[in-house]
Amino acid sequence: SQKIEQNSEALNIQEGKTATLTCNYTNYSPAYLQWYRQDPGRGPVFLLLIRENEKEKRKERLKVTFDTTLKQSLFHITASQPADSATYLCALVMNTGFQKLVFGTGTRLLVSP
Amino acid sequence: DTAVSQTPKYLVTQMGNDKSIKCEQNLGHDTMYWYKQDSKKFLKIMFSYNNKELIINETVPNRFSPKSPDKAHLNLHINSLELGDSAVYFCASSQDGGTYNEQFFGPGTRLTVL
Repeated sequence: SQKIEQNSEALNIQEGKTATLTCNYTNYSPAYLQWYRQDPGRGPVFLLLIRENEKEKRKERLKVTFDTTLKQSLFHITASQPADSATYLCALVMNTGFQKLVFGTGTRLLVSP
Repeated sequence: DTAVSQTPKYLVTQMGNDKSIKCEQNLGHDTMYWYKQDSKKFLKIMFSYNNKELIINETVPNRFSPKSPDKAHLNLHINSLELGDSAVYFCASSQDGGTYNEQFFGPGTRLTVL
């Protein structure tokens, strides 16, 4: 069956450390992968997109890797801050002609001062 | 100057009622979406419209009927509401339906069916 799994438990880290979130998928062949941030009571906000032929993408303190052999994406936040506390969602983008996002279960990140 | 707006923000209703949720985007995008986020926070696509034309229709009960009067609006009408319809519904838009586009989400509508 098709599955997209992210860290099921909340991730607690200390301010200043690097947070690493995982997104593993099975029985999908995505063209792209996107990461979104969702704060309580709000809609998801786009962070980064990575293509299947890209190994790594960076934006400020964020870094995403995409390994289509392992069927895994890693999302890193360096020098984490309490303001980074949120739920992070990975989304596979299927190449079906029109964009269709299939979301993972999300990982709740808590950064303590 | 909200990019994607939804009304109402909260909707509490009885089983069996019919209700609508409205969505508007002022980004000039061609493609709009409806998602359902359940109590476990799992976000799932329901429908997608591109330039008022339905392009994605997931396995959603036909009690759910989207309507796009123009490309800036995508409304969701739900007939004969059931307890299991309780969830947060998000509207989103993207520039077009291309696979590389980011999606912009609205603030969500929390639907509670009693």
